[in-house]
Amino acid sequence: NAGVTQTPKFQVLKTGQSMTLQCAQDMNHEYMSWYRQDPGMGLRLIHYSVGAGITDQGEVPNGYNVSRSTTEDFPLRLLSAAPSQTSVYFCASSYTADHNQPQHFGDGTRLSIL
Amino acid sequence: GENVEQHPSTLSVQEGDSAVIKCTYSDSASNYFPWYKQELGKGPQLIIDIRSNVGEKKDQRIAVTLNKTAKHFSLHITETQPEDSAVYFCAANRNSGYSTLTFGKGTMLLVSP
Repeated sequence: NAGVTQTPKFQVLKTGQSMTLQCAQDMNHEYMSWYRQDPGMGLRLIHYSVGAGITDQGEVPNGYNVSRSTTEDFPLRLLSAAPSQTSVYFCASSYTADHNQPQHFGDGTRLSIL
Repeated sequence: GENVEQHPSTLSVQEGDSAVIKCTYSDSASNYFPWYKQELGKGPQLIIDIRSNVGEKKDQRIAVTLNKTAKHFSLHITETQPEDSAVYFCAANRNSGYSTLTFGKGTMLLVSP
């Protein structure tokens, strides 16, 4: 059982480039989300999805787009990378979108913007 | 929105000692409080969680207590071992209708042999 799989594990971009961070889960979870983790800041929610075709903004959505065409996949797109987006990005999923559901995290994508 | 404060930011203990990490939250409607352990280069892993209808929950060497009146909850690790060394995060759910969590800033726990 793979759980939550994120690719790539590492990426270096130049300012202005675009890229997509991939996230896939094989647990048939309804809810998926993206967080960024910065030193001393904990985890901050970027975007989330409560099911295929439904997405919404979290705490820090600017500069990022998401889509949810299937239950399994929830890609995060950086349209024009900026140095402030240098961070570690985590995807998470839970069985439903209800309160009090445990969230399962992937191992992250470490992204550097030069 | 919800705000979660976590203390201390770093904690050093000797193997066999107990460790306590404390969190406070601001939204009295929050009702789910998970704790995550993050090892170097890995994603956070859920280690224990508590819901607002109970005051304490134990799982072997790990326990969590919740005081809803004071809006704080704590993680207790007894008989610490070097493999407990990691960053620990507390979180609280938001009363937004969906499963969104607000995280504390983390505690780096170092257990020395």
